[in-house]
Amino acid sequence: EDKVVQSPLSLVVHEGDTVTLNCSYEVTNFRSLLWYKQEKKAPTFLFMLTSSGIEKKSGRLSSILDKKELFSILNITATQTGDSAVYLCAVERNTGNQFYFGTGTSLTVIP
Amino acid sequence: GAVVSQHPSRVICKSGTSVKIECRSLDFQATTMFWYRQFPKKSLMLMATSNEGSKATYEQGVEKDKFLINHASLTLSTLTVTSAHPEDSSFYICSAREGQMNIEAFFGQGTRLTVV
Repeated sequence: EDKVVQSPLSLVVHEGDTVTLNCSYEVTNFRSLLWYKQEKKAPTFLFMLTSSGIEKKSGRLSSILDKKELFSILNITATQTGDSAVYLCAVERNTGNQFYFGTGTSLTVIP
Repeated sequence: GAVVSQHPSRVICKSGTSVKIECRSLDFQATTMFWYRQFPKKSLMLMATSNEGSKATYEQGVEKDKFLINHASLTLSTLTVTSAHPEDSSFYICSAREGQMNIEAFFGQGTRLTVV
């Protein structure tokens, strides 16, 4: 059965810490892996990863995909209270225009 | 593991029929549930927010008579797409939150709806 598993479910860190969020998947006909940040109205798109080993970076956020071991990590360096959110991972299949979403990781950054 | 279960994961229906999607919180009481729809370029749009035992609050532009949301219990919310049309074909995903002040919300696996 195709599935996406995120860990940890929730995480509390202090400002300035670095965090690593994990997303592992078992999805046939993999096409891409996406990361979202859930803050207000709806999750906002962060990254789309299709190739192994190529790091995507945006400010203090970065992400990388390992298609051999079937996982991705999302790194956030020098965390700020504004990084507090639920981070959502999704995997897209090549066939059937199908997505599989993880449960999300709830990150709380305390001052 | 999954704490929010969404079913079905995919459904194909004929134009004019209605489809029901379920969102269940597995090990907590979800006082609030959210329904989203995916649009091109991978973006997700909030459709409505539902609180247990009360009417859902719909976002602007979402037809409440077309997308019926019921949150009858603390562990189950349903989204019914009524008189479905091909343009309703999309990916629908729910999330569930425990408590009024808790900021954590967990997501379901999503449902791919195809209307033919």
